[in-house]
Amino acid sequence: AQSVSQHNHHVILSEAASLELGCNYSYGGTVNLFWYVQYPGQHLQLLLKYFSGDPLVKGIKGFEAEFIKSKFSFNLRKPSVQWSDTAEYFCAVNAVNTGRRALTFGSGTRLQVQP
Amino acid sequence: EPEVTQTPSHQVTQMGQEVILRCVPISNHLYFYWYRQILGQKVEFLVSFYNNEISEKSEIFDDQFSVERPDGSNFTLKIRSTKLEDSAMYFCASSEGGTSPSAEQYFGPGTRLTVT
Repeated sequence: AQSVSQHNHHVILSEAASLELGCNYSYGGTVNLFWYVQYPGQHLQLLLKYFSGDPLVKGIKGFEAEFIKSKFSFNLRKPSVQWSDTAEYFCAVNAVNTGRRALTFGSGTRLQVQP
Repeated sequence: EPEVTQTPSHQVTQMGQEVILRCVPISNHLYFYWYRQILGQKVEFLVSFYNNEISEKSEIFDDQFSVERPDGSNFTLKIRSTKLEDSAMYFCASSEGGTSPSAEQYFGPGTRLTVT
């Protein structure tokens, strides 16, 4: 079974600072990788996903993530954060070629951006 | 933009009672899911549903739980004989059909279940 680790539980940044949130997964096979965001009081929304091709994936709102297969990592980045990026960020995976669609989530990282 | 909706937003029930959580998936989606998040813990997969039957379930989804698509729009999660540890946020999600498991899952806003 797969598992996901997000090592940063709570990150506080000032506006315009750069962001990198770590995500590592554990699974021996091929995976699809996702980052979801949950703004205060709102539902989970997909930021970006990787399932094949270019390991550098660009998502909405200026976010990007890089899949490094050798490190089992899929870190989320943004060069300059805004106050409106304050939210909880979840990394998730599902296993390819198993027929399973269930997402396995990390524990989430709460990002607080100070104006 | 189409959205997944869930009702109620907050449900309080007494231990031992049965609850039904309701979801309206996006209309042209074929896969439906329930996840839960106990306060302070990870979002956990419970069950997926396709073509009117369970396609996948986790070890959490035992006989206490059941899912149903009673009509063409609703997707429900029934929890029988609720326990204190069932208190959690329950998220419904849906995704398009097709064979690719990379299809995006669209999440609803969640129902907060509190068992007292």
